[in-house]
Amino acid sequence: GAGVSQSPSNKVTEKGKDVELRCDPISGHTALYWYRQSLGQGLEFLIYFQGNSAPDKSGLPSDRFSAERTGGSVSTLTIQRTQQEDSAVYLCASSPGGLANVLTFGAGSRLTVL
Amino acid sequence: KQEVTQIPAALSVPEGENLVLNCSFTDSAIYNLQWFRQDPGKGLTSLLLIQSSQREQTSGRLNASLDKSSGRSTLYIAASQPGDSATYLCAVISGTYKYIFGTGTRLKVLA
Repeated sequence: GAGVSQSPSNKVTEKGKDVELRCDPISGHTALYWYRQSLGQGLEFLIYFQGNSAPDKSGLPSDRFSAERTGGSVSTLTIQRTQQEDSAVYLCASSPGGLANVLTFGAGSRLTVL
Repeated sequence: KQEVTQIPAALSVPEGENLVLNCSFTDSAIYNLQWFRQDPGKGLTSLLLIQSSQREQTSGRLNASLDKSSGRSTLYIAASQPGDSATYLCAVISGTYKYIFGTGTRLKVLA
């Protein structure tokens, strides 16, 4: 696609429910990142994919968080048993790969846990 | 551990002023540095990317410089306009492929 697409744009859920957030990167981009931005906070790194593998999962906050990427394209971030502190904007970004490439972000998925 | 700091946290200026935003990082072993803008409720838009071998990059009214040895970058905005109002973030990447972001500078340009 022309840009990075994320869905849903907004999600309101009840505490304890599971949620899935989807990211569709720019076609041909091999690198994919998930970040979290809490209200008034900076961007918190969650996970990085190169192709379908995730060499760096160091930012996932707990074992309730998981992510996968299939076909070197779409990625899904899953949060199980959501808590109120999971409320944030989840941002996905992609790049062609390598260390000298521009990072392109999607518009984000705003998650509110009641 | 890489830490990125941006000063000031917020800035309000009258239209037409030239301004400088600052970004500092603790580990000089970076591959590149990117400047982004974020509008309220939106994702990030890349403005400029400076590779570690470069000293500066320019795009229109924007100029970004990089001094790796001192761990600093500046974003210069010439002749500011109300449409420049946004949060500006810098991010650095090193060998871990992980972009580390600063907390941003909230800019308001008054008409």
